[in-house]
Amino acid sequence: DAGITQSPRHKVTETGTPVTLRCHQTENHRYMYWYRQDPGHGLRLIHYSYGVKDTDKGEVSDGYSVSRSKTEDFLLTLESATSSQTSVYFCAISENQGVGGYGYTFGSGTRLTVV
Amino acid sequence: KQEVTQIPAALSVPEGENLVLNCSFTDSAIYNLQWFRQDPGKGLTSLLLIQSSQREQTSGRLNASLDKSSGRSTLYIAASQPGDSATYLCAATRGSQGNLIFGKGTKLSVKP
Repeated sequence: DAGITQSPRHKVTETGTPVTLRCHQTENHRYMYWYRQDPGHGLRLIHYSYGVKDTDKGEVSDGYSVSRSKTEDFLLTLESATSSQTSVYFCAISENQGVGGYGYTFGSGTRLTVV
Repeated sequence: KQEVTQIPAALSVPEGENLVLNCSFTDSAIYNLQWFRQDPGKGLTSLLLIQSSQREQTSGRLNASLDKSSGRSTLYIAASQPGDSATYLCAATRGSQGNLIFGKGTKLSVKP
């Protein structure tokens, strides 16, 4: 989707190194999310943001941190990459929350391999 | 804890057949339910969003229904085509922050 881009698209890194993935949106949406997708587990929420500098943990947050210093960018950092963090990472954005609904838009994903 | 289940995990049908994909969720207090399509190696494309106050949504050959009381949603695909081959994911919203809880998907193959 043109309104949300992830970088890099592919990355190979070594165990123990820090890695930062970037999600950039042009939609000015308030909410941003990081998910990981693994065979047998589906998509699981890592962290999310409900505004600039406002973030919270998701289901699988251990080993990850996030930052959002401006509306358009949401960064995911693997503090010390491990092989278990080899996965496909998706960023998503959403405008409003709660009853009444909204929709999510997903980025194209980052395929990360930790060797 | 909200859990979302999709049955079947895989489905193969001949072209032209009408088909139904099933999604069930354990907590009926969802805000809405969304169906996505994912092609191999690609991201997720939103197909239909059903708000909690709605019963169904339609887009072209796709129709999705929502029954909160029974904890079920179905995605109906009419006159299937080989281009419909993909993995279909349903996701229910949990909590005021709107976090999506995903099923593991149904992999659909439509044979010419």
